[in-house]
Parts: sequence; C-alpha cells; structure tokens
Amino acid sequence: AQSVTQLDSHVSVSEGTPVLLRCNYSSSYSPSLFWYVQHPNKGLQLLLKYTSAATLVKGINGFEAEFKKSETSFHLTKPSAHMSDAAEYFCVVSESWAGGGKLIFGQGTELSVKP
Amino acid sequence: KAGVTQTPRYLIKTRGQQVTLSCSPISGHRSVSWYQQTPGQGLQFLFEYFSETQRNKGNFPGRFSGRQFSNSRSEMNVSTLELGDSALYLCASSLDGGGNTGELFFGEGSRLTVL
Repeated sequence: AQSVTQLDSHVSVSEGTPVLLRCNYSSSYSPSLFWYVQHPNKGLQLLLKYTSAATLVKGINGFEAEFKKSETSFHLTKPSAHMSDAAEYFCVVSESWAGGGKLIFGQGTELSVKP
Repeated sequence: KAGVTQTPRYLIKTRGQQVTLSCSPISGHRSVSWYQQTPGQGLQFLFEYFSETQRNKGNFPGRFSGRQFSNSRSEMNVSTLELGDSALYLCASSLDGGGNTGELFFGEGSRLTVL
C-alpha cells in the first residue's frame, strides 16, 4: 500500500523567508506525487505534481518540489514566503489501477506566515 | 467556466437522521469523487463515480452511499448519522478520475455537524 507522511504538522515562517514543508512517501513502485493547498474555508487546489518526468517540479505561486528516490522524499519549497501563503498543505500520492484510482492524503502541514 | 459546486455548504443534523449532499462537477467532467475531512482522520476517500457507475470505494460503512446522474451531478447520502460523521465533505471532479494524474478539482465542501 502507498502512503505519505508529512513530517511537520505546523510550520511558522516570517514573510520573505524560505518555506520548507517536508514529505516522505512509501511506495512499492514509482509513485505519482502531488502537493495540494487548502486555504481556510476553501476547497483544495493542486499546487504541483510529479509523474516521473523531471525530478524538480515547478508549481503555481512560486512553489517547487524535488522528488528524491534515494530519500523517498518530496519536499515542498518556496524561496520567499508571502502572507497569502498561509494555508494547510497536503502531500498526496495517487493509487491507480485499471479503471480508476484514488488520492491518498498526508495529514497536512499548517503553514503560518508572520509579518 | 464554473467550478465544482457543493450544496448545502453548512448543515446541522441530529443523531439517527440522514443527510443528502449534492455536487455539481465542472462541465465536461465525468468523474466525481467524495472525500471526508476530519481533524482526527484527515482526508479520507469515500468513493468515486464515473459515468453513473461507482468505480471505487473507500473503507467506510454501508451507511455512506452515493450516486451519479446522467448529467454527472452526484449525491452522497449518510443514513443513521453518528456524532463521528461530523466532518467537511469534499467533492472533486475530473475528466477521468484523477487517480492517474492527481488533477482533481475540489469544491468548497459541505460542513456537516451532527448533534
């Protein structure tokens, strides 16, 4: 079975400083990995996805993630945090089979951005 | 292009009652998935419908059911409500199920409170 573990339940940064949200995955084969963001009282939005092409994936709003097979990690980064980045972030692995699939979510990391 | 619409946004029920939630997917999307989000369990997959057929199902009791109509709109029903059913129920649509691409488009959710 596939799974993802987000190593921090809460991360706090100052505006303008780098963001690092950590995610490790467990998969018996090459996974498809994603990061989603959820702003308060909103649905989830796809930030970026890795599907075995380039290991460094660029997403929306300046976020990036690097797939490291040797470390089974898919950490999310951003060089400079903005106040609008405050939200909950989910690392996700997809499980697919003939005729369907589903997403398996990590427990989430709440990002706070201080002025 | 309209996004995923969920109704109602908020509702309060008492134990033993039943509830029906509705989801209108993005136009042209044939797959609708449902997820339950709670503080303790996080985001968990309920089921997915594709072209009016339930294609995948998560590990939830039979009290949770759903259906999809010919216009791709979907409903989920929870019967004999329990306190633990209090949650944010998220609907997501995609062209083909999202399990392969991870590209699900989420609604803002229906927040159910069971008293």
